[in-house]
Parts: sequence; structure tokens; C-alpha cells
Amino acid sequence: DVKVTQSSRYLVKRTGEKVFLECVQDMDHENMFWYRQDPGLGLRLIYFSYDVKMKEKGDIPEGYSVSREKKERFSLILESASTNQTSMYLCASSRTGSYNEQFFGPGTRLTVL
Amino acid sequence: GIQVEQSPPDLILQEGANSTLRCNFSDSVNNLQWFHQNPWGQLINLFYIPSGTKQNGRLSATTVATERYSLLYISSSQTTDSGVYFCAVGPASGAGSYQLTFGKGTKLSVIP
Repeated sequence: DVKVTQSSRYLVKRTGEKVFLECVQDMDHENMFWYRQDPGLGLRLIYFSYDVKMKEKGDIPEGYSVSREKKERFSLILESASTNQTSMYLCASSRTGSYNEQFFGPGTRLTVL
Repeated sequence: GIQVEQSPPDLILQEGANSTLRCNFSDSVNNLQWFHQNPWGQLINLFYIPSGTKQNGRLSATTVATERYSLLYISSSQTTDSGVYFCAVGPASGAGSYQLTFGKGTKLSVIP
């Protein structure tokens, strides 16, 4: 079974703090993704990575950065957290190629005070 | 980018009833997935179905790629089927072909 894990289920941070969300997958997938989910707005792609050290902006990259130093790990960084970044953050991974089903982690519910 | 519309937005069923959820999309796709989001927020993979028909127990799905829609069937519904069902698609070509675009979801409530 594919397993995608995220470092925290719940996180509370202060405005202006630097926040790291970690995601690890154990299936040797090339692609990894970060989404956020908000009521009324659905799931939106923040960033994705198709290889180590490679990254592409998604639909809403502003205020975020990412890091992928190893194939199995993809980090989302909030350089200076703001209250409008309070959200549910979901990480996913998939293979490259014709069979590219995405598998999701359990999510991190982040609250910025 | 590709547009995804799900219907109905809300659905209330009596336990044991059957239902059909629909997903329309605006362009050719190389990936279509159905998910169930549980009360803790985790997205559970139901089907990977860019075309054709699949069945898994009481659930089945059909995608007609040429007509740009997919259907999720739930038979003999149970209270544990409650939650939000998402359809998500990946475009067949161009920038973003690895990405998934999600519909807004169908919120299903199954009452005893």
C-alpha cells in the first residue's frame, strides 16, 4: 500500500513565524504535491515537484515556498505565517507516466493566530 | 485551465437507497479520480478511472471520456458512506498535466 505521511495533524502558530510542513512518501513516486483546502473554495494546488530539487508553481503559490532535497520528502514552507494561511494542508504523491493516480496524506490543520 | 463541475452539491439519502453522483469536465483528461473525504479530512481513493467502468463492492464508476463526464454509483447506502465525494481530473496535455483539478464536491448524508 502507498503511504503518505505528514508531520503533524494539528498545528498552531503565531503570525510572522516561519512554519515547516513535512511530507514523506514510501513508494518511490517521482511527483509530489501540496494542496490547501478551504470551505467554499475546495482544494487548490500550491506547488508540485516532479523530481528532486525541481518545483513548479501551482494555482496559489504566493506566500509559500517548497523544498525537495530527497525523493521521498517534500516540504512546504510558510516564510512568515499570516492569518489567511489558516487552512487544511494536504500532501500527495504520484508516479510519472500513464498511470498517475495520486495518493494523499492525512492532512495538517494549521491555525495561524 | 480545466473546469470540473460536480452535481448535486448536497444529497440526503435514507439508509439502503441508491445514488448517482456526476462529474462534468471541460477538456480531455489523462487522469480522473474519485475520492471520499472522511470526517478527519483524509482523502480516500475510491477509483482511478480516466475511462471505462470499474466496480468495488457497493460502489461503481463510469467515465465517458468522449462526452467528458463521469458517474459514481453508490448502492445500498450505509451511514458510513456519509461525507464529501470529490471528483478530480488531470488534463491530457500541456502545462499542468501532472496536476489534479478538483470539483467542489458532493456532500452526502445517509440517515438511518
